[in-house]
This record gives sequence, C-alpha cells and structure tokens, in this order.
Amino acid sequence: GQQLNQSPQSMFIQEGEDVSMNCTSSSIFNTWLWYKQEPGEGPVLLIALYKAGELTSNGRLTAQFGITRKDSFLNISASIPSDVGIYFCAGGRSGSARQLTFGSGTQLTVLP
Amino acid sequence: EAGVTQSPTHLIKTRGQQATLRCSPISGHTSVYWYQQALGLGLQFLLWYDEGEERNRGNFPPRFSGRQFPNYSSELNVNALELEDSALYLCASSVGSGGADTQYFGPGTRLTVL
Repeated sequence: GQQLNQSPQSMFIQEGEDVSMNCTSSSIFNTWLWYKQEPGEGPVLLIALYKAGELTSNGRLTAQFGITRKDSFLNISASIPSDVGIYFCAGGRSGSARQLTFGSGTQLTVLP
Repeated sequence: EAGVTQSPTHLIKTRGQQATLRCSPISGHTSVYWYQQALGLGLQFLLWYDEGEERNRGNFPPRFSGRQFPNYSSELNVNALELEDSALYLCASSVGSGGADTQYFGPGTRLTVL
C-alpha cells in the first residue's frame, strides 16, 4: 500500500540533543498526525495538525503542517531516555478515504 | 476516560483456521479502523466502519472481513489463515465527523499463525 516517505529511518543521539524528523508525500493531506510506538504497544498520538502552515507544540515536541499540505516535520528538544521508540507520521483525508496513510517510522535511540 | 481496548492480547492459530479479533472504541466515537502492522511493512489500512457500515477497505483479500455492532464495537475476522497473516492488528477509533479526524489506537492483538 501507499506509504509516506519518512526520514531518517533511525537515529542515535545523546541525551540532551535535539531531534528532527520529517515526512513527505506526493499527495495532499488534510491532516498530519504524529504517533510514538513502543515495543508491544499501539501507537500513541503525540500531535495532530489540521491546517496548512500550522505549528503546534506539546511540551518538548513541536510539529508543523507544511504549506503545500504534502509534508510535515517533528522536532524533539532536549531528548531524554524515555523518548526512545518508533515515531510515525500519518496523513489523513476527509470524505470517503479517511483512513490514515503511515510513514515507515523513525527508530529513535537516546544514549545516556 | 477509557481508551480503545482490544482483545485478545495474543492469539495463536494454525494455517487454515479462522481468527476473530475484537475492539471497543472510545466512548462517543462512532468510527472504527483496523490496521495491520506486519514486521518490516509498517501500518497498512484494512477496514473502516462507521455507524455500523463498512465505509472503505484497504488492499487486502476478502478473507479479511469484519463488522461493527450497534454499540460501535467491532470485530475483525480473518478466514483461511496464512503464515503471512502473522502481525500486530491495531484498532483505532475516531469521533466520525465528516472531515478528516484524529484516530486513537488500542494496544493491538498479536496474531501468530503457525
């Protein structure tokens, strides 16, 4: 099935460093969502974006909905060990195709 | 407020058998989505139910089916199980508004086909 282009695939960073990951698509989306998944669990919603150009923060997390509606990025500032996990972007549409299209994920490892 | 719940947590079946997975959405949510997360393949959309009806399905064979009950809970059935059906099956719910809305996921059911 269709997937978004999410990069990087994996990241190894030192505790305290900032992290940036992004997603791009050839198609337009009405919604961009960012989820975090830990082993054996379902994805947990981090940030939801509903308007082109929107910049939203949730604690140390900041995400933006690209102006073209074809991309989004997620930044994590001052990383901590509990940030470890897989981060997924997801694009959503309205109408009859409201299922989410997911990126392939970014595996984040935070080194102490 | 309780989140999305799924049962069972783990399910082990053999090839050719049928599997039934269950999902209860967040209270007040009318839309239920099913996704398959196979190792190395990311999350793939399976089915979407809203107000008791199937609204859309992903690129999966007909042996993947389901239904939504009057209380908005949902069931996913997988018939004639194959080895490659082994995956984490995730259910998500949303308020079911007309526009693109936010989906919240359950913990998943790990299906293993031997």
